[in-house]
Amino acid sequence: QVQLVESGGGLVKPGGSLRLSCAASGFTFGDYFMTWIRQAPGKGLEWISYISSSGSSVFYAKSVKGRFTISRDNSKNLLFLQMNSLRADDTAVYFCARDSGWNDYWGQGTLVTVSS
Amino acid sequence: DIQMTQSPSSLSASVGDRVTITCRASQSISTYLNWYQQKPGKAPDLLIYGASSLQSGVPSRFSGSGSGTDFTLTISSLQPEDFATYYCQQSYSTPRTFGQGTKVEVK
Repeated sequence: QVQLVESGGGLVKPGGSLRLSCAASGFTFGDYFMTWIRQAPGKGLEWISYISSSGSSVFYAKSVKGRFTISRDNSKNLLFLQMNSLRADDTAVYFCARDSGWNDYWGQGTLVTVSS
Repeated sequence: DIQMTQSPSSLSASVGDRVTITCRASQSISTYLNWYQQKPGKAPDLLIYGASSLQSGVPSRFSGSGSGTDFTLTISSLQPEDFATYYCQQSYSTPRTFGQGTKVEVK
């Protein structure tokens, strides 16, 4: 069965960095685009980035462009999100999701809190 | 970026009610429209993709319709497990924006 498990969240000070990981299993990881989506506390869903199956093409929402970097290691079935210059408004649960043209499988999410 | 607007933002309903949620796109997105259900503390679940295709395992009381800019999610007979927040999402272009959500509450 398809499983996505995020890790790497935690408490970080404004201006700091964090690297999230998403471990995929149960499907041929290298065949799919992958996406990061976040949800601030009590708020709606915000799509923030995706990466093509090979990793050659990426896209970012304006809110994170220039600060976040998405990448993947198809040999290890891992998706990453490097987050730099973190701000208080980046506080959210971060989900990884498989992209089939729609997000059909999601991880459970990892909480990132940006606070001094 | 394409803006997605859902209405209403919340609604109160009873078990057995027919519930309709609408989603409007700021420009035509053909049928590149998806619906998700989210319960508190959980990841969203895909309900409908391509405006009207039911995701495997989703009960048939859920249905979607629409094309262009106007879309509808219908729950034909609300069940206790359907009280949740529902989001639409366009996958016509990046960023793949979501609507603000519709919370379905117990009347």
